[in-house]
Amino acid sequence: EAGVAQSPRYKIIEKRQSVAFWCNPISGHATLYWYQQILGQGPKLLIQFQNNGVVDDSQLPKDRFSAERLKGVDSTLKIQPAKLEDSAVYLCASSKGQGNTEAFFGQGTRLTVV
Amino acid sequence: GENVEQHPSTLSVQEGDSAVIKCTYSDSASNYFPWYKQELGKGPQLIIDIRSNVGEKKDQRIAVTLNKTAKHFSLHITETQPEDSAVYFCAPNQAGTALIFGKGTTLSVSS
Repeated sequence: EAGVAQSPRYKIIEKRQSVAFWCNPISGHATLYWYQQILGQGPKLLIQFQNNGVVDDSQLPKDRFSAERLKGVDSTLKIQPAKLEDSAVYLCASSKGQGNTEAFFGQGTRLTVV
Repeated sequence: GENVEQHPSTLSVQEGDSAVIKCTYSDSASNYFPWYKQELGKGPQLIIDIRSNVGEKKDQRIAVTLNKTAKHFSLHITETQPEDSAVYFCAPNQAGTALIFGKGTTLSVSS
């Protein structure tokens, strides 16, 4: 079974630029999550999708972050404009159900904002 | 929302020793209690989980114990090996919600 695919693996941008991350979840997984992991901390939920609908985006900084899940499969996360404090690893995860079940994580995209 | 705390934040043991990491949570509605292991440069990976109708679960050298009354659960690793060195996260949750991670425990196993 193929795992969660994310790209790119690394990205360096200047502050105020925009950036986009892509995620392809495990086939058949209805739930998709984006997490932000700052160095030395636990992953923090940004947004949760169930199929192509948003379940929870309460911690997504909506003035600069946006996310969509195309046709209930792939997802993109965008930051525009980026700030220095956005430097982090962005993790995508998927699961069969909503909560109460194993989430499978991709390797993440390491973003550095300079 | 859920408030999750892990202790200790760092743990150093000798190979062959046991390691215990404790997680406390605040939401009494939580009914699923997983532990994830994160190695350098990788995403977290589930190593063991327990549901609220069970008090203990064991899988070879790792075990998880749950005290729902006191709202805490613990990860136990016996006969530690160097490859157990990683960051461990607890992430209690309930159906319909996303995993809420603790701050993590860095385990170092020296040979």
